Amino acid sequence: DTGVSQDPRHKITKRGQNVTFRCDPISEHNRLYWYRQTLGQGPEFLTYFQNEAQLEKSRLLSDRFSAERPKGSFSTLEIQRTEQGDSAMYLCASSLGPGRAAEQFFGPGTRLTVL
Amino acid sequence: AQKVTQAQTEISVVEKEDVTLDCVYETRDTTYYLFWYKQPPSGELVFLIRRNSFDEQNEISGRYSWNFQKSTSSFNFTITASQVVDSAVYFCALSGGNDKLIFGTGTRLQVFP
Repeated sequence: DTGVSQDPRHKITKRGQNVTFRCDPISEHNRLYWYRQTLGQGPEFLTYFQNEAQLEKSRLLSDRFSAERPKGSFSTLEIQRTEQGDSAMYLCASSLGPGRAAEQFFGPGTRLTVL
Repeated sequence: AQKVTQAQTEISVVEKEDVTLDCVYETRDTTYYLFWYKQPPSGELVFLIRRNSFDEQNEISGRYSWNFQKSTSSFNFTITASQVVDSAVYFCALSGGNDKLIFGTGTRLQVFP
């Protein structure tokens, strides 16, 4: 399968713990995006990368969140000191980019539950 | 500010009925792109269509058709002869002055046999 993959698919953690998610984009795609989706809502943009450069971060991305794409391939999203409000589906997407017209292909998401 | 509104939270139809999902957008950009995505129960977002702001031609793909009207800032999606497999949440999205997608809140479509 050559689509976007995310790991893990599900994560349950206790409040205050740190969690890290991984996203592997489609191999030739140089743009990678992170979105967050809460129940009954559409996905909300968090951040995106052009190769290894992080080009934009949403105000939703508090200081507890950090994302990296060290070699321009896979990306990680870390949440420190998790809170119950962080419970959501975290979606990764990739595109050939640049450009607003580029179709974003989404992964299956990582569902985070913070107890 | 950019915004996408999907006023229909949930729609239920019986198989073979036609159904239209509404999408209204707001943007100050003169060049922008509109998208529709499908999210089946499995959760993965599936791309359906992309439209740029300079192309108001309607598009048909099989049982799917899209009506883009700049005058009313709408980009509606019609499924003809709906099937049970069409049951999903459908999202309309806008890409404006930057690269991110702005999604609406989605419309849940349930097609009953």
